Amino acid sequence: KNEVEQSPQNLTAQEGEFITINCSYSVGISALHWLQQHPGGGIVSLFMLSSGKKKHGRLIATINIQEKHSSLHITASHPRDSAVYICAVSFNTDKLIFGTGTRLQVFP
Amino acid sequence: SQTIHQWPATLVQPVGSPLSLECTVEGTSNPNLYWYRQAAGRGLQLLFYSVGIGQISSEVPQNLSASRPQDRQFILSSKKLLLSDSGFYLCAWSVTGHPYEQYFGPGTRLTVT
Repeated sequence: KNEVEQSPQNLTAQEGEFITINCSYSVGISALHWLQQHPGGGIVSLFMLSSGKKKHGRLIATINIQEKHSSLHITASHPRDSAVYICAVSFNTDKLIFGTGTRLQVFP
Repeated sequence: SQTIHQWPATLVQPVGSPLSLECTVEGTSNPNLYWYRQAAGRGLQLLFYSVGIGQISSEVPQNLSASRPQDRQFILSSKKLLLSDSGFYLCAWSVTGHPYEQYFGPGTRLTVT
């Protein structure tokens, strides 16, 4: 069974802290996605990666194919980063399998 | 540029009533289209996907159906809503040949009372 697990489920931080969210999956994948879901429900795609590391602003995503693990890092966190962060993977198909998400709250 | 629209944004419907949610994509041709549901406290679940007009694949047996009457229009329907149909419904699209990158609509929050 293909599974995607995220940790932690909930995360609180003070403004300025470095944040890490983890995602692990059970079998080989074609690509891994990090998505951000805002409190209103809208989803934005942050990264899609199949190897290595990507950076966009204060966000960094890494993936280790051998260990079947990915991390999303947020540097210098800000209250506007508060959202649900979702990991999703694809397995050589046009379908995504989603993790249950990590709810992040950053307090000023 | 490509945009994806969903409506309505929110909906409150009684049990047993019909449902029709619409999704349209602009700025691209022959997209793959997807319907997802996010139940309270749970992850996103793929309900239907379509690779072309009239071509619908169902992922989960349920009370819902989907149709694609036009290339960039995807409709989610039900004849009789159940309480368990409550949730957040998201439409997404991807470029044919590039299925791994999906773009999501703003979603519809459905409450069945």
